[in-house]
Amino acid sequence: SQQGEEDPQALSIQEGENATMNCSYKTSINNLQWYRQNSGRGLVHLILIRSNEREKHSGRLRVTLDTSKKSSSLLITASRAADTASYFCATPVGGTASKLTFGTGTRLQVTL
Amino acid sequence: NAGVMQNPRHLVRRRGQEARLRCSPMKGHSHVYWYRQLPEEGLKFMVYLQKENIIDESGMPKERFSAEFPKEGPSILRIQQVVRGDSAAYFCASSPSLAGGVDTQYFGPGTRLTVL
Repeated sequence: SQQGEEDPQALSIQEGENATMNCSYKTSINNLQWYRQNSGRGLVHLILIRSNEREKHSGRLRVTLDTSKKSSSLLITASRAADTASYFCATPVGGTASKLTFGTGTRLQVTL
Repeated sequence: NAGVMQNPRHLVRRRGQEARLRCSPMKGHSHVYWYRQLPEEGLKFMVYLQKENIIDESGMPKERFSAEFPKEGPSILRIQQVVRGDSAAYFCASSPSLAGGVDTQYFGPGTRLTVL
């Protein structure tokens, strides 16, 4: 079964708008990570948030983590066409970093 | 500082042939992970290796698939007697250590395997 499930599956916005993606997971974690994948390319690590953190910022990215609800959100502010990609949340299985479980991703389309 | 390198980027095989996928981790990284991604899906963990050791192969099919990470040279994911269902993108990731139990995995560009 999927450890991470992203919502929505697809999101289309205009340049300059904010994009919010959500991720839910099932088991206890010690960290949650967000990755971006451009079409036909590998994954790029965006941000890692630990279980004892509630919010983290990196540039135009803001990630929140609610361990009581087993959910996380990724906010991209002032989106750009270059942000068009699929975004995945990933959690380490069994509390270790040895393997990551990915959700099915949110496909973000940013139009001019 | 080169990132994770994978080759080939694209591989076409006929049913029954063998596929060999190579992964060179980032310099200084001793942990390698292989993942498989089917179209429109997320990545699925296959195997985790350190130099000369398979640490976790719980995501790898028991038959036809094998992986190695020798003392010298790249990590190899080998698929014998490929079938159409093996068509997917195979990604390799590497990390430097598990110090503190948390480490970022850096991904390669992937190998897209097509089985005819």
